[in-house]
Amino acid sequence: QQQVKQSPQSLIVQKGGISIINCAYENTAFDYFPWYQQFPGKGPALLIAIRPDVSEKKEGRFTISFNKSAKQFSLHIMDSQPGDSATYFCAASIYNNNDMRFGAGTRLTVKP
Amino acid sequence: DTGVSQDPRHKITKRGQNVTFRCDPISEHNRLYWYRQTLGQGPEFLTYFQNEAQLEKSRLLSNRFSAERPKGSFSTLEIQRTEQGDSAMYLCASSPFGTKGNTIYFGEGSWLTVV
Repeated sequence: QQQVKQSPQSLIVQKGGISIINCAYENTAFDYFPWYQQFPGKGPALLIAIRPDVSEKKEGRFTISFNKSAKQFSLHIMDSQPGDSATYFCAASIYNNNDMRFGAGTRLTVKP
Repeated sequence: DTGVSQDPRHKITKRGQNVTFRCDPISEHNRLYWYRQTLGQGPEFLTYFQNEAQLEKSRLLSNRFSAERPKGSFSTLEIQRTEQGDSAMYLCASSPFGTKGNTIYFGEGSWLTVV
């Protein structure tokens, strides 16, 4: 069942620093890789997503880097802010498929 | 608010009782999903509807669980004879079919505690 492995489990970063969260997947059929952000007591919210035809996607302070040959992808949060403190989940699925597999999550704490 | 809404947000029940959760998806989203999330874990897929048809069920969904989406709009998830291991957050999500691909929008979840 654990087809997406995420690390680290928790991460503490100083305000203004770079937060990096990594994920690795097993199923080479996966072709859609989103990242979700979840605050306590809330459902996950889509942050940014990538498809394997590009190696990088940037939206504001958030960047996904994708390495197809290594079957790995990562989320970089530049200029991390205390408001970014949340749990982040990577996920993977086959495009337009319904069974999205999630990583176990990374609890990010950004210290002021 | 036009997001995915779930009711109730919290439910405490005694072991052996039945519980039902309701989900109202984003209007015009014809796909509806149920996930389960336990503390420290990512969401796990349970089942999925396209319109009123339940097209896929995870093997995690035991025969005590049943989901319906009778008119292709709201959905219910019923758990019969609850067990302590059912304690989790049950997340509903919806997505449009087609050009927007896999963008899944989650509700805020329904927390279940079985005592």
